[in-house]
Amino acid sequence: QKEVEQDPGPLSVPEGAIVSLNCTYSNSAFQYFMWYRQYSRKGPELLMYTYSSGNKEDGRFTAQVDKSSKYISLFIRDSQPSDSATYLCAMSHPGANNLFFGTGTRLTVIP
Amino acid sequence: NAGVTQTPKFRILKIGQSMTLQCAQDMNHNYMYWYRQDPGMGLKLIYYSVGAGITDKGEVPNGYNVSRSTTEDFPLRLELAAPSQTSVYFCASSYGTTGNTIYFGEGSWLTVV
Repeated sequence: QKEVEQDPGPLSVPEGAIVSLNCTYSNSAFQYFMWYRQYSRKGPELLMYTYSSGNKEDGRFTAQVDKSSKYISLFIRDSQPSDSATYLCAMSHPGANNLFFGTGTRLTVIP
Repeated sequence: NAGVTQTPKFRILKIGQSMTLQCAQDMNHNYMYWYRQDPGMGLKLIYYSVGAGITDKGEVPNGYNVSRSTTEDFPLRLELAAPSQTSVYFCASSYGTTGNTIYFGEGSWLTVV
């Protein structure tokens, strides 16, 4: 079983839709949860960072962590064509020297 | 402040050739990493370094070597290139580990033919 599972998509939505992206994980020691956005031919860039459980909101983006279910989500409200990218979840635990990445979900927002 | 800079951006290698991917960061980060990204496979850690003179293997180190002589630079050496090393390579850095944000370079696209 992979430590981090992420549906690869692809996911296509119309402009203005609410997008939900999700990851599940198996290691209960994970404490740090991140979402990276990766545009085509570019490196990943940090979008959201959450420590432990709870919600975090930043503009149109909301990250949720449910540690009891080992499930994290990223919601994008009022999606825009500029949101079209691959979204990678990543997580880590105290003492780790690495991030554990999901495989990424490719999102296309259609004007 | 350029962040993490990788060169070259694109390279075609013949089987058996060797090359070095260069990586430099100007954020005074202690930790540096090399990842490879293959379609549908996510990011896999090749090597990492916790400071100058200290390196360690990641998940997929075979066929690669690294060195860290300065805080800023972390080159990745491919010896005897094989088609299985065709991939996108990302260098990254962070101030610390675990909960610290990792910053990525723009990537190096390598094809081995």
